[in-house]
Amino acid sequence: GAVVSQHPSWVICKSGTSVKIECRSLDFQATTMFWYRQFPKQSLMLMATSNEGSKATYEQGVEKDKFLINHASLTLSTLTVTSAHPEDSSFYICSASRGALWNTPLHFGNGTRLTVT
Amino acid sequence: TQLLEQSPQFLSIQEGENLTVYCNSSSVFSSLQWYRQEPGEGPVLLVTVVTGGEVKKLKRLTFQFGDARKDSSLHITAAQPGDTGLYLCAGASTNAGKSTFGDGTTLTVKP
Repeated sequence: GAVVSQHPSWVICKSGTSVKIECRSLDFQATTMFWYRQFPKQSLMLMATSNEGSKATYEQGVEKDKFLINHASLTLSTLTVTSAHPEDSSFYICSASRGALWNTPLHFGNGTRLTVT
Repeated sequence: TQLLEQSPQFLSIQEGENLTVYCNSSSVFSSLQWYRQEPGEGPVLLVTVVTGGEVKKLKRLTFQFGDARKDSSLHITAAQPGDTGLYLCAGASTNAGKSTFGDGTTLTVKP
């Protein structure tokens, strides 16, 4: 149980276009979803925390107008990279939690490799 | 701000060797998780430790939570090429809105 599906697994887009990434919890309701960016051989860099029905909380330095997060239901959160540029190319990962973080683990999607040309 | 220092950052060993990865903080955590991530995939949970001094074993992997719940270690016995990956520790405190991740340890086990 506790499966998180992330789609697409990879995407190539042209500079200036927008890309939407979906994160779904398939067999549980996610209290909170998180979005990360990861560079090669580095740890996860938290971008924002998303709670269903409320505005996302962005980490310092993350542009909320560029990385739009929508958490429409307890099983779906989306990240839209608007007006993408080559420097936005990265591996983006989502995770979902079904309860308090201190006593329930995070369940991760398989990530999305974004390449902006 | 809570920080988790993870070491070493990179580790390359031969099959059959033992290794230990450390995760240290000046903050107390209510729980700490260890994850393993393979290239192009998301992290997968290995274990959660919640009690100070707790030791958990998962086949050849031994996880320990410090008595003060500020540090943790992962020990792998007789490493195999299949253990290759990025190991991440993550801590959470009661009422925390997010987890704190360590910097990660990239392990390469050569056959």
